[in-house]
Amino acid sequence: LAKTTQPISMDSYEGQEVNITCSHNNIATNDYITWYQQFPSQGPRFIIQGYKTKVTNEVASLFIPADRKSSTLSLPRVSLSDTAVYYCLVGGDRGSTLGRLYFGRGTQLTVWP
Amino acid sequence: GAVVSQHPSRVICKSGTSVKIECRSLDFQATTMFWYRQFPKQSLMLMATSNEGSKATYEQGVEKDKFLINHASLTLSTLTVTSAHPEDSSFYICSARRTEDSYEQYFGPGTRLTVT
Repeated sequence: LAKTTQPISMDSYEGQEVNITCSHNNIATNDYITWYQQFPSQGPRFIIQGYKTKVTNEVASLFIPADRKSSTLSLPRVSLSDTAVYYCLVGGDRGSTLGRLYFGRGTQLTVWP
Repeated sequence: GAVVSQHPSRVICKSGTSVKIECRSLDFQATTMFWYRQFPKQSLMLMATSNEGSKATYEQGVEKDKFLINHASLTLSTLTVTSAHPEDSSFYICSARRTEDSYEQYFGPGTRLTVT
């Protein structure tokens, strides 16, 4: 498994842009980078996935530099409801390893009013 | 579409008893289901992979005789925690994968187990 490193926690205020960086120095050539979001007492939810450069959807953007050793999840104009834990996974499609998901520690994002 | 439910959402049981948790895919058939455990302030830990009609595959360190998994149909998997102890108190989450061609997993809302 490619090991990932994320900040344990981040704080932001409503309306700000939040960037969460994940390091994955040992990423393999075929690996995707996938981010999940988990609210308290709920199951995780897939947010975004990318392989290189930039990916954007209605929820977030994912920036991946050319060396792919890190990635940055960008949440534009966060609101209180974005307070959650964000997990970065590296592996096959949807972050899987042989079809399974192995979650790291994640980043607790707290958005303040 | 792709809704996964769990029942019960919360359960309290006495030490030494067994408790069953159900995971259902409501609007799709799930050839594979997964069970996770999450302790407070910690990440999800994959416990086992459940394939319909065959024995579950347990992750290293997970006791298969303590956490019995049955995947009897394409829409239902059950996790039974046998002889529960207070240290088994945790948040149990299941997920379901639609087909073998897709790695997308749809997660259930979780079950909070408290063993007294």
